[in-house]
Amino acid sequence: DTEVTQTPKHLVMGMTNKKSLKCEQHMGHRAMYWYKQKAKKPPELMFVYSYEKLSINESVPSRFSPECPNSSLLNLHLHALQPEDSALYLCASSQKYGGETQYFGPGTRLLVL
Amino acid sequence: GESVGLHLPTLSVQEGDNSIINCAYSNSASDYFIWYKQESGKGPQFIIDIRSNMDKRQGQRVTVLLNKTVKHLSLQIAATQPGDSAVYFCAETTSNSGYSTLTFGKGTMLLVSP
Repeated sequence: DTEVTQTPKHLVMGMTNKKSLKCEQHMGHRAMYWYKQKAKKPPELMFVYSYEKLSINESVPSRFSPECPNSSLLNLHLHALQPEDSALYLCASSQKYGGETQYFGPGTRLLVL
Repeated sequence: GESVGLHLPTLSVQEGDNSIINCAYSNSASDYFIWYKQESGKGPQFIIDIRSNMDKRQGQRVTVLLNKTVKHLSLQIAATQPGDSAVYFCAETTSNSGYSTLTFGKGTMLLVSP
């Protein structure tokens, strides 16, 4: 089983709203990732968690706040977003050993009005 | 035929043809490469991978070729079907302590006509 799940599938929010994206995997993977993807572009890395600790923050604005409550869950808290933040947000996970392959979830399509 | 648009190269083929999607990578130290398929509205799906100590690997209807001399990767799809229509990304990977980092290619859109 190589399934990563994400909720919600779609999200529309105003610039003053606070919302959260959720990601879950039950493959025992210890690394989890958030990516942002614009149309017709490859995914861009935002954050990496390894063993529930933040390992990489790719200079992401503070209006995006990641959280890793446990080894299976990854959240992305959103606050005061801008219209240009509208994109597909993808979660991925990988194993620690021989863990180069990242397995992606279906994504959350976010629209900021 | 193949065309390069403003943002995403596109390869158009007929059902039943063999398709070849190409990718140039940048880091000669990369030792692991992955091909992903991304259908419209979905996340990238793992197709096949290859390590740098190999030059060819075959899966079901897919073959990946690696030419380290010219830093070139290709994905061959045999007997292409309409369900193969998607954007295909190559990715070179770097392993770190406890996680990996992917560097994606720009992507190629494959359009399969019945």
